Amino acid sequence: DIQMTQSPSTLSASVGDRVTITCRASQSINIWVAWYQQKPGKAPRLLIYRASILESGVPSRFSGSGSGTDFTLTISSLQPDDFATYYCQQYNSYFWTFGQGTKVEIK
Amino acid sequence: QVHLQEAGPRLLKPSETLSVTCSVSGSSIKTNDYYWAWIRQSPGKGLEWIGNMFYSGSTFYNPSLRSRVTFSVDASNNQFSLTLNSVTAADTAIYYCARQRVDNYFDLWGQGTLVTVSS
Repeated sequence: DIQMTQSPSTLSASVGDRVTITCRASQSINIWVAWYQQKPGKAPRLLIYRASILESGVPSRFSGSGSGTDFTLTISSLQPDDFATYYCQQYNSYFWTFGQGTKVEIK
Repeated sequence: QVHLQEAGPRLLKPSETLSVTCSVSGSSIKTNDYYWAWIRQSPGKGLEWIGNMFYSGSTFYNPSLRSRVTFSVDASNNQFSLTLNSVTAADTAIYYCARQRVDNYFDLWGQGTLVTVSS
């Protein structure tokens, strides 16, 4: 199975900061990565798929990039609503696996 | 608006069988546009894909759980279900149902149901 490793595990940032989260796959997965946001007590929410395509309704301050083994999720200007945990997921190879998560907390 | 809602027992004893049902509203599960999936989340293992199914009954399971998992569909009631046999404390988790696009990522999730396995 493909391992997805996110860094950092925790990130402290302030409102207005540019935030970047990294996800590395244990083997090449082309562009088949999705990103999710999860708030406490809630289900994950799809943000980005196919590495860089923004899901409908997701604010444009979110963006994704990468291919092969290295991927990033960027929040261009962190907003109060963005403090949450973020997960990447690969869907290149059966079976589908998730990263361990990156918690974005208030600095 | 499409909505998914899980229902099932909250507390199980080791060796018992876990059964969770997902009710879908706002859309028919009889579609070739989506799979219907189960995912669980535990502190120890994070998010884990359990498997998915088409409404027609074809299923795909995580190899680590395949020997204990069964999915079923009740199209007349727009529901699908998960059964997990011989549970242990390691199966304690929040169980989510989700809509899985045929590309194999998850665009809609239920709120999740916490299942605790304890003697």
